[in-house]
Amino acid sequence: GAGVSQSPSNKVTEKGKDVELRCDPISGHTALYWYRQSLGQGLEFLIYFQGNSAPDKSGLPSDRFSAERTGGSVSTLTIQRTQQEDSAVYLCASSTPPRGNQPQHFGDGTRLSIL
Amino acid sequence: DQQVKQNSPSLSVQEGRISILNCDYTNSMFDYFLWYKKYPAEGPTFLISISSIKDKNEDGRFTVFLNKSAKHLSLHIVPSQPGDSAVYFCAAYSGGSNYKLTFGKGTLLTVNP
Repeated sequence: GAGVSQSPSNKVTEKGKDVELRCDPISGHTALYWYRQSLGQGLEFLIYFQGNSAPDKSGLPSDRFSAERTGGSVSTLTIQRTQQEDSAVYLCASSTPPRGNQPQHFGDGTRLSIL
Repeated sequence: DQQVKQNSPSLSVQEGRISILNCDYTNSMFDYFLWYKKYPAEGPTFLISISSIKDKNEDGRFTVFLNKSAKHLSLHIVPSQPGDSAVYFCAAYSGGSNYKLTFGKGTLLTVNP
């Protein structure tokens, strides 16, 4: 499809395990974002990639969280030693370069449940 | 600290009537506002936006109003349709960061046939 693709759609894992979440942005979109939505909350910014520039990691909640974007396209969000409070829906979005406040286009998210 | 507030967690309206969803913000640096619509198990979909230099933007059945002095915006849907039933998120960009969206918690709109 032409939209943002995320996998897996659901992930259940035990506390303490590492998880990797994948995002495939819209073709041609150079900007990529990760957000998460905890139960009953709005979306919370995690990290932003734009082209070859250094990413803005200011929203990552702890050093257990990291993200990569290889080749300017696919991104992987990794959570190490997962905790129960990491349970949330993790959403990826992409856009054309954010000049003039272009809207961000979201994938359907990965629902992460930590047992 | 909630910089974008949607104080109504839910709203129910009759088909054909007007739906009004409200959003308040506290950060005076916000200069661009967006509304997103979200169905269950799907990602948010962009609906409509407004720049802080305007007070109204209209797109079909959807109109967004901005009152800068009150730091308040609203989304009007006229006429409401059952397919509009979804969670609506208000979001904002600040002038210093035109990529980091700040979201409200959302309002669940139910349009009854």
